[in-house]
Amino acid sequence: RKEVEQDPGPFNVPEGATVAFNCTYSNSASQSFFWYRQDCRKEPKLLMSVYSSGNEDGRFTAQLNRASQYISLLIRDSKLSDSATYLCVVEATSGTYKYIFGTGTRLKVLA
Amino acid sequence: ETGVTQTPRHLVMGMTNKKSLKCEQHLGHNAMYWYKQSAKKPLELMFVYSLEERVENNSVPSRFSPECPNSSHLFLHLHTLQPEDSALYLCASSDGLADEQFFGPGTRLTVL
Repeated sequence: RKEVEQDPGPFNVPEGATVAFNCTYSNSASQSFFWYRQDCRKEPKLLMSVYSSGNEDGRFTAQLNRASQYISLLIRDSKLSDSATYLCVVEATSGTYKYIFGTGTRLKVLA
Repeated sequence: ETGVTQTPRHLVMGMTNKKSLKCEQHLGHNAMYWYKQSAKKPLELMFVYSLEERVENNSVPSRFSPECPNSSHLFLHLHTLQPEDSALYLCASSDGLADEQFFGPGTRLTVL
């Protein structure tokens, strides 16, 4: 099993739609979780951290399910500007530092 | 200058060349990172420096040699690279090792 696994997509959705991505991780000792956004030919930028209690920022909601070892990102009322690749990041600091990126899920919001 | 800067933005080199990538962070952070991003592959962590000391070296070939002269600067020295080393090389910094990472724009490297 990969350390961090994401569906690469692309997810093609119309404007205004709600879309959700999941990311599974294999190390149950993982402590911190993040969603980064990467636009085409640009660097990744932090979208939001994922807390045990969940995290909401406007149209974006992130959830953590420790029992099933996955995190999710929900985007409501999709905008054209949401088109990007969304990277799941899992950190496990058990012994050796590790900050593991998933391959990313590509989202295309269509007019 | 703000954030994390990287130079050059694009680099084409032959397999026998020696070149260096430079990263500078203007955020007062204590940790800096080198990542490699290849097409359709996840970001691969190469090196981590915390307070100018290397804390992680992810089995990176010796043809890549990092240098961190101070907390604001990070270099990646390249020599005798292979065509499969062609990728986007991203530098990042963070306050602590568990904190949000801020990325530079990357250097797109092509090895001929």
